[in-house]
Amino acid sequence: EDQVTQSPEALRLQEGESSSLNCSYTVSGLRGLFWYRQDPGKGPEFLFTLYSAGEEKEKERLKATLTKKESFLHITAPKPEDSATYLCAVQARAGGFKTIFGAGTRLFVKA
Amino acid sequence: DGGITQSPKYLFRKEGQNVTLSCEQNLNHDAMYWYRQDPGQGLRLIYYSQIVNDFQKGDIAEGYSVSREKKESFPLTVTSAQKNPTAFYLCASSIGTPNEQFFGPGTRLTVL
Repeated sequence: EDQVTQSPEALRLQEGESSSLNCSYTVSGLRGLFWYRQDPGKGPEFLFTLYSAGEEKEKERLKATLTKKESFLHITAPKPEDSATYLCAVQARAGGFKTIFGAGTRLFVKA
Repeated sequence: DGGITQSPKYLFRKEGQNVTLSCEQNLNHDAMYWYRQDPGQGLRLIYYSQIVNDFQKGDIAEGYSVSREKKESFPLTVTSAQKNPTAFYLCASSIGTPNEQFFGPGTRLTVL
């Protein structure tokens, strides 16, 4: 069964304290892995798509990486405005249009 | 500006009533989706549509119905058969697969 597991469930950082969020997945052939940011009471906002192991994408203080079993979202020198829930999702080759989402990591960055 | 709109933002329903949630997109995307989000859980797929006049059940379709008469619109009806409808409902669209999905702002449904 295709699964996506995110860890930790919650992460509290001081401003400037770099860290990483983990997304472990098991799918029967990865078609794409996606990262989203979701603010409370709002819809998710797309961040990155990764397609194959070894691929990396960057945007401001965020960098996403992908291996055959997991993806990391690295946050460098975070600011309070980076506080949000970060969602990971995968599409499997056999899944058609279906996307499987993880439960998310809630990130809190304190000034 | 292109995007996805959902209405209403908040919706209250009495038990036994059907309610319809609106989702409209002007991104010219072929595929549209409905998800349900509950606290501490990932988004769960209710229905999706790849083209007009065609849609498929997702993982939790029981108690829900949809239509796709126009490319821009994908309304979701929460029927009285849905036993636990209180949740945050998200609509999304994509240009195809594997492609990122773009989400609307969501509708929070509360059953009184």
